[in-house]
Amino acid sequence: EIVMTQSPATLSVSPGETPTLSCRASQSVSSNLAWYQQKPGQAPRLLIYGASTRAIGIPARFSGSGSGTEFTLTISSLQSEDFAVYYCQQYNNWPPLTFGGGTKVEIK
Amino acid sequence: QVQLVQSGAEVKKPGSSVKVSCTASGATFNNYTVTWVRQAPGQGLEWMGGIIPKFPTTTYAQKFQGRVTLFTDESTRTAYMDLRSLRSDDAAVYYCATGLAGGGYDFFESWGQGTLVTVSS
Repeated sequence: EIVMTQSPATLSVSPGETPTLSCRASQSVSSNLAWYQQKPGQAPRLLIYGASTRAIGIPARFSGSGSGTEFTLTISSLQSEDFAVYYCQQYNNWPPLTFGGGTKVEIK
Repeated sequence: QVQLVQSGAEVKKPGSSVKVSCTASGATFNNYTVTWVRQAPGQGLEWMGGIIPKFPTTTYAQKFQGRVTLFTDESTRTAYMDLRSLRSDDAAVYYCATGLAGGGYDFFESWGQGTLVTVSS
């Protein structure tokens, strides 16, 4: 099973700043990596797949990069609606598909 | 893009079973792999397994093997997740989700609203 590790667990950010979230895989997942955003009481929302391709309707301020075992999600000029928990997920080796533990982006 | 609507919240006793449904609209049901993911209170996301309706074939996480069954009813465009021998740590929100049309087990573009399952004696 591929273990996905996200860091940090919590990120305190002010609106307008540009946070970078990290995701590490225990073995290579190539570019088969997705990012999701989840707000309280809501289902996750797909942001990025293929490590760097934005999903339909996702603003350009969300960008993903990386391949192999190291990945990042960058949110340029964070807006108020971006405060949420972010999860990475690998789909290179399954079963099982695996998620990271999440990074909570909170207001500083 | 497919829209997914799940059945309502359930309260179950330990040792019993729960069946959650997930009805699709807006696209050809059989073109999508349906995946089930759960989230315990305050915790992260956990993949349980998936089903490809057009074959149909299923894949389960080893953790749930023997305790979960996924199946679909093509006539009603509904997928089901049946979880048996419920324990207190099965209390969670259960989500169905699908990827892109024609995709397999990869990422999840559409999600149901979630079904809260409470396990309590």
